[in-house]
Amino acid sequence: KQEVTQIPAALSVPEGENLVLNCSFTDSAIYNLQWFRQDPGKGLTSLLLIQSSQREQTSGRLNASLDKSSGRSTLYIAASQPGDSATYLCAVGSNFGNEKLTFGTGTRLTIIP
Amino acid sequence: NAGVTQTPKFQVLKTGQSMTLQCAQDMNHEYMSWYRQDPGMGLRLIHYSVGAGITDQGEVPNGYNVSRSTTEDFPLRLLSAAPSQTSVYFCASSPFGSGAIGEKLFFGSGTQLSVL
Repeated sequence: KQEVTQIPAALSVPEGENLVLNCSFTDSAIYNLQWFRQDPGKGLTSLLLIQSSQREQTSGRLNASLDKSSGRSTLYIAASQPGDSATYLCAVGSNFGNEKLTFGTGTRLTIIP
Repeated sequence: NAGVTQTPKFQVLKTGQSMTLQCAQDMNHEYMSWYRQDPGMGLRLIHYSVGAGITDQGEVPNGYNVSRSTTEDFPLRLLSAAPSQTSVYFCASSPFGSGAIGEKLFFGSGTQLSVL
């Protein structure tokens, strides 16, 4: 059974700093990995999708990396802004009987002005 | 383009009552799904559909029914609500596939359900 862990559960960072969010998974037989953003009381927004054959994806100030062999992914946020405050979730796409996304519980990020 | 629309946003039920959570998407997506989100747990898949007329169970299907009569709509029915079904429910869609095979998932804004 695939398990996805995100540590820490919460993180506070001063505005302007670069930061890294972590995601680990137990089974390396994955199709892909997605990073989502969730604002309070809102749904999830897909930020980046990395296929299993890729090492990283970039979108603006965001860069996500994937290391299947070690079961890890990181989301790098450059030059953080207060608007980046949200909960960030990673989800791993696997095939365990049916195609399935397994979500982590998220890291709640607060950017301090 | 509204994306994925869920109604209602909030709902309070008494134990044993029934209700339907509505989900509609206007992106002509084949795949639709329902998740529940509980504190300290990742999102868990309840039911999903890969196209009109086709539905299947996810990780936590007990107590919920779904149907997919059109591409656009995927309602979730609670036949006899229980306190354990208190949660935030999200509907999600993608062009095809579950999101597990390479498609980004698009989420609705959620329904917060409390069962007393």
